[in-house]
Amino acid sequence: NAGVMQNPRHLVRRRGQEARLRCSPMKGHSHVYWYRQLPEEGLKFMVYLQKENIIDESGMPKERFSAEFPKEGPSILRIQQVVRGDSAAYFCASSPGENYGYTFGSGTRLTVV
Amino acid sequence: EDQVTQSPEALRLQEGESSSLNCSYTVSGLRGLFWYRQDPGKGPEFLFTLYSAGEEKEKERLKATLTKKESFLHITAPKPEDSATYLCAVQAQNTGNQFYFGTGTSLTVIP
Repeated sequence: NAGVMQNPRHLVRRRGQEARLRCSPMKGHSHVYWYRQLPEEGLKFMVYLQKENIIDESGMPKERFSAEFPKEGPSILRIQQVVRGDSAAYFCASSPGENYGYTFGSGTRLTVV
Repeated sequence: EDQVTQSPEALRLQEGESSSLNCSYTVSGLRGLFWYRQDPGKGPEFLFTLYSAGEEKEKERLKATLTKKESFLHITAPKPEDSATYLCAVQAQNTGNQFYFGTGTSLTVIP
């Protein structure tokens, strides 16, 4: 059981470019969550997805950010036209259903230069 | 507004010196309180889930307890390998599946 797999581990983008972060949940887990961790801040919820559905995106910035979890393949967090303030660690977590604890991936560290 | 506050922000202990970490929470209906450990450059690793006041969970040198307003993570006779950031998170009744995380307690255990 490989756990929650995130890639890339590190991503450097210039301002204005697009960032695509990928997450494969644990085997048997159908619920995926994305969190962002800024330096000196706690993990902040961004979005909760199930296969082909966005369940809760209340933590997603209204512009430039989008997420998907297609029927086949990993979940993708997409950030368009990145700015320096997007630099952070982005963590994906998965669970087998509601009312379960999360299993986290190792994160993608995005640096915008 | 749902809130989670952890204290202290940082804690240095001598090996073998027991102590406790605090997590105070304000939520409108607690579904669960979760403790995680996070090592530098890694994702949070699940430790415990607590659901109701009075509940306790133990694992090796760690013991988590829960009251109606706070949770404690007790560390007995810590070792250097217990050094990490410990995160507390709550799940509320009215906010679906999202967790509210505190900013963590950074624990350093000195040999």
